[in-house]
Amino acid sequence: GAVVSQHPSRVICKSGTSVKIECRSLDFQATTMFWYRQFPKQSLMLMATSNEGSKATYEQGVEKDKFLINHASLTLSTLTVTSAHPEDSSFYICSARKTGLDEAFFGQGTRLTVV
Amino acid sequence: GEDVEQSLFLSVREGDSSVINCTYTDSSSTYLYWYKQEPGAGLQLLTYIFSNMDMKQDQRLTVLLNKKDKHLSLRIADTQTGDSAIYFCAEKPSGNTGKLIFGQGTTLQVKP
Repeated sequence: GAVVSQHPSRVICKSGTSVKIECRSLDFQATTMFWYRQFPKQSLMLMATSNEGSKATYEQGVEKDKFLINHASLTLSTLTVTSAHPEDSSFYICSARKTGLDEAFFGQGTRLTVV
Repeated sequence: GEDVEQSLFLSVREGDSSVINCTYTDSSSTYLYWYKQEPGAGLQLLTYIFSNMDMKQDQRLTVLLNKKDKHLSLRIADTQTGDSAIYFCAEKPSGNTGKLIFGQGTTLQVKP
């Protein structure tokens, strides 16, 4: 159990367009999901914490109007990169915290390339 | 503050032991984790240790925690070429958010 699925795994989009990334907990309920960003050969940086039914909490320096997060159900959180630019190209990874447990499980990541 | 540091690269020969080191600054961390990331893939949880433990062993993996020095290590016995990957150390600060603070990752290269 405890499988987290991200979709798509890879996406290429044009500058100025928006891209939505989905994070689903397949076999458990997750009241909290986390969105991380990873630049090449660098660590994962937490972007925001997404709580089901409420607004996401963004880390310092992350633009909430650019990275829209919606956690509409206990099994789905979405990250929308709005008006994407080449500097938004990165590897985005979500994790989902199983309700009642301390452990968070990671999705396989989404490679976003903005051209 | 919260900060996690790792050396960036380690190269070993197949069959040798690998030791990946990590230091952290938050003395109130409750759990410390080791994750493995293969190229283009997400993170796979390898093992974790609770902050009141000194050691944890799981098959070829041994985690040592020196809480006084805020030092964590991961030893991989009989390292195989399939162990080549990036290994991330992460700490979970106190509080109940589930947020993790990651190190920069150590690239392990295993030579045949």
